[in-house]
Amino acid sequence: AQSVAQPEDQVNVAEGNPLTVKCTYSVSGNPYLFWYVQYPNRGLQFLLKYITGDNLVKGSYGFEAEFNKSQTSFHLKKPSALVSDSALYFCAVRDGYSSASKIIFGSGTRLSIRP
Amino acid sequence: EAEVAQSPRYKITEKSQAVAFWCDPISGHATLYWYRQILGQGPELLVQFQDESVVDDSQLPKDRFSAERLKGVDSTLKIQPAELGDSAMYLCASSLGRGPTEAFFGQGTRLTVV
Repeated sequence: AQSVAQPEDQVNVAEGNPLTVKCTYSVSGNPYLFWYVQYPNRGLQFLLKYITGDNLVKGSYGFEAEFNKSQTSFHLKKPSALVSDSALYFCAVRDGYSSASKIIFGSGTRLSIRP
Repeated sequence: EAEVAQSPRYKITEKSQAVAFWCDPISGHATLYWYRQILGQGPELLVQFQDESVVDDSQLPKDRFSAERLKGVDSTLKIQPAELGDSAMYLCASSLGRGPTEAFFGQGTRLTVV
């Protein structure tokens, strides 16, 4: 069965420092991977995706993610954190190519950026 | 910018009552999802539609939950009767329905059962 793991419940970073939010996945076929961000009492906002191609994908708000097939990882990164990046971040994987495939989410990582 | 519309934003209901949530996906999106998110956890898929057909409802508690998308556009999720454990955020999302595309989420409905 397909699954996503976010090993850290919380990540704390000082403003201006680089940040990394970790994600590992398990799929039987090709991985289709996504990152979302959620602010309090709001829905999830799409940040970026990996479908195929370059292992480094760029997304919204200066975020990027690195796909590593050998380590089955898709870590979210940003070179310089902002206080406004503080939110809940979810990694997700589609369990197939078709539109009928499910999108499965990790348990989330709370990112806290201190001024 | 097109958005997924959900209503109501907040709902308080007494246990054993019926409650319904509505979702209007982005125009042209064939796939519609309903997720339940317990506070501090990741979203859990309840039901997925492709046009008007259910493609996955394996995690939907069918004794009390029902979902429909009659004309393949907007959708309703119903709970009857509501239980205390149903308190959660109910999220609707939609995607184009061709290939492994991302899903776009609505603002959600925060349900509190008292």
